Amino acid sequence: AQTVTQSQPEMSVQEAETVTLSCTYDTSESNYYLFWYKQPPSRQMILVIRQEAYKQQNATENRFSVNFQKAAKSFSLKISDSQLGDTAMYFCAFMKHDVWDDMRFGAGTRLTVKP
Amino acid sequence: NAGVTQTPKFQVLKTGQSMTLQCAQDMNHEYMSWYRQDPGMGLRLIHYSVGAGITDQGEVPNGYNVSRSTTEDFPLRLLSAAPSQTSVYFCASSYSRGVGGELFFGEGSRLTVL
Repeated sequence: AQTVTQSQPEMSVQEAETVTLSCTYDTSESNYYLFWYKQPPSRQMILVIRQEAYKQQNATENRFSVNFQKAAKSFSLKISDSQLGDTAMYFCAFMKHDVWDDMRFGAGTRLTVKP
Repeated sequence: NAGVTQTPKFQVLKTGQSMTLQCAQDMNHEYMSWYRQDPGMGLRLIHYSVGAGITDQGEVPNGYNVSRSTTEDFPLRLLSAAPSQTSVYFCASSYSRGVGGELFFGEGSRLTVL
């Protein structure tokens, strides 16, 4: 089974600064998806960014970008120009291509953005 | 659109009691699933469904039953609640079995079993 590890249980960052959240995963698959989900204090989880393993280019969504290192099995999330609304739990997740029953989430990183 | 709606948001049960967590989505999604979220463990898949009449087990299915009689609804049943089932439960749906893989989540249901 695949495993996803987030080694930083908690992080904090000053407003307007940049922060990077780490994620590593273990798999023997070559074709898969990686995700970062955000869970604000209101608890509804939303997708932040998605990466397909066969794409070498790192995904970017506005202030959010990833550093995908396939050989190292690393998938970090960079948040630029941090905003107070970025305060949330962030979960890294892995899914084998087209296999719903094996989607795995990391334990999460609690990010606090300080004014 | 309401998206994914879960009820109830909070529930307290005594050991041995039964209950059903309701989940409904109005996006015509084929795929629906139930996760539980425990501190330090992220989300773990309980059961999932890829269409009406089709259900399957996830990583932690014991103690839970599901059914999928319609595309919209995917209830989760606890037949005999145990303290180990104290958790926050999330229902999620997606528009396709494999394309993209983005999940749309409900707001969660916090269950306490005494």
